[in-house]
Amino acid sequence: TQLLEQSPQFLSIQEGENLTVYCNSSSVFSSLQWYRQEPGEGPVLLVTVVTGGEVKKLKRLTFQFGDARKDSSLHITAAQPGDTGLYLCAGAGANSKLTFGKGITLSVRP
Amino acid sequence: DAGVIQSPRHEVTEMGQEVTLRCKPISGHDYLFWYRQTMMRGLELLIYFNNNVPIDDSGMPEDRFSAKMPNASFSTLKIQPSEPRDSAVYFCASSYFRTGELFFGEGSRLTVL
Repeated sequence: TQLLEQSPQFLSIQEGENLTVYCNSSSVFSSLQWYRQEPGEGPVLLVTVVTGGEVKKLKRLTFQFGDARKDSSLHITAAQPGDTGLYLCAGAGANSKLTFGKGITLSVRP
Repeated sequence: DAGVIQSPRHEVTEMGQEVTLRCKPISGHDYLFWYRQTMMRGLELLIYFNNNVPIDDSGMPEDRFSAKMPNASFSTLKIQPSEPRDSAVYFCASSYFRTGELFFGEGSRLTVL
């Protein structure tokens, strides 16, 4: 079983702060996806990273795939209340299935 | 496109009753997935279909759970008999590729008393 561990599990910060959260595994993934889920809704894809070392930016969000394709990070600059939600990472592994982490609950206070 | 459509949005039932959850995937998507989400276990893959054929049901908890996809535009997940530990949010998702972007429905929140 390929496990993805996300940290921290919960994060509460003030509007305007920067933060970095992590998605780690001992397994190699061919690609890794990040989703955001808001209360009462299904997860929505933010980004897919494929190449080791790849960095992708989505406005104030910066995603990085580890060189060995075993881990990823998400950095948010100047967080806003609209960034509040559950952030899920999902890795595509050797079994050709997506494995999800348990997610990081982010709360951004105005 | 309207996206993935699930029904019902909320279901409250008593232990022992049959529960049927429904899903309409996005037209043209070849893959359909059923997930269950709880605080303790996160998102768990229950079963997925490719071109209406069940490919991997290794995540289905036990024989009380069954899923069907009679055609490309409809799938059901049935729990019979239901138990309190089945309480969770059940998501249906569809995709063009097995490990491609997943498009999720809004989920069906099931409470078994």
